[in-house]
Amino acid sequence: NAGVTQTPKFQVLKTGQSMTLQCAQDMNHEYMSWYRQDPGMGLRLIHYSVGAGITDQGEVPNGYNVSRSTTEDFPLRLLSAAPSQTSVYFCATSRGLTEAFFGQGTRLTVV
Amino acid sequence: AQTVTQSQPEMSVQEAETVTLSCTYDTSESDYYLFWYKQPPSRQMILVIRQEAYKQQNATENRFSVNFQKAAKSFSLKISDSQLGDAAMYFCAYRSAGNTDKLIFGTGTRLQVFP
Repeated sequence: NAGVTQTPKFQVLKTGQSMTLQCAQDMNHEYMSWYRQDPGMGLRLIHYSVGAGITDQGEVPNGYNVSRSTTEDFPLRLLSAAPSQTSVYFCATSRGLTEAFFGQGTRLTVV
Repeated sequence: AQTVTQSQPEMSVQEAETVTLSCTYDTSESDYYLFWYKQPPSRQMILVIRQEAYKQQNATENRFSVNFQKAAKSFSLKISDSQLGDAAMYFCAYRSAGNTDKLIFGTGTRLQVFP
């Protein structure tokens, strides 16, 4: 089992470019989330989904879009990248009230 | 809104010794879950231990144990017989028991282990 797979692992973008961070899980978990990790700030929730077709905003949603068309996939879209979006991004999944399982993260740099 | 506070940005311990990492949280809920996650330099987030708020007994996983004080809203992590591989960032996290996947994290404590 691969668990939670994030791609790419590293990415450099120019300001204004768009891109999609991919997250795929083979654990059949209904819950999926995206977090960003910044120095000194821990992890903060961007968007989350409680099932296919259902998404909601977290603590820091501005500048990001998500969709959940299948149980397995939960992509995060940056429509127009800004330097403030330089961060490490984590996708996480869970089933019900169990602990979250994280992908290996994507380090994104916006120049 | 719930908050999680880790007041120790850095801690250090000698190999084989014991260290305690502090975490406090604020919530008006009575039912919730608390977690400690470890993040080594590889960046991977690894679950260390989990505590259900309705359980009075403190959780234990091998060398890792917690001191859960519900009234004081405190959730500290004790690492016994510290090993070099324990060196990492440690994050305390809170999760409501409601129908949500939201984790609220503290800012982390960097643990150094000296031989």
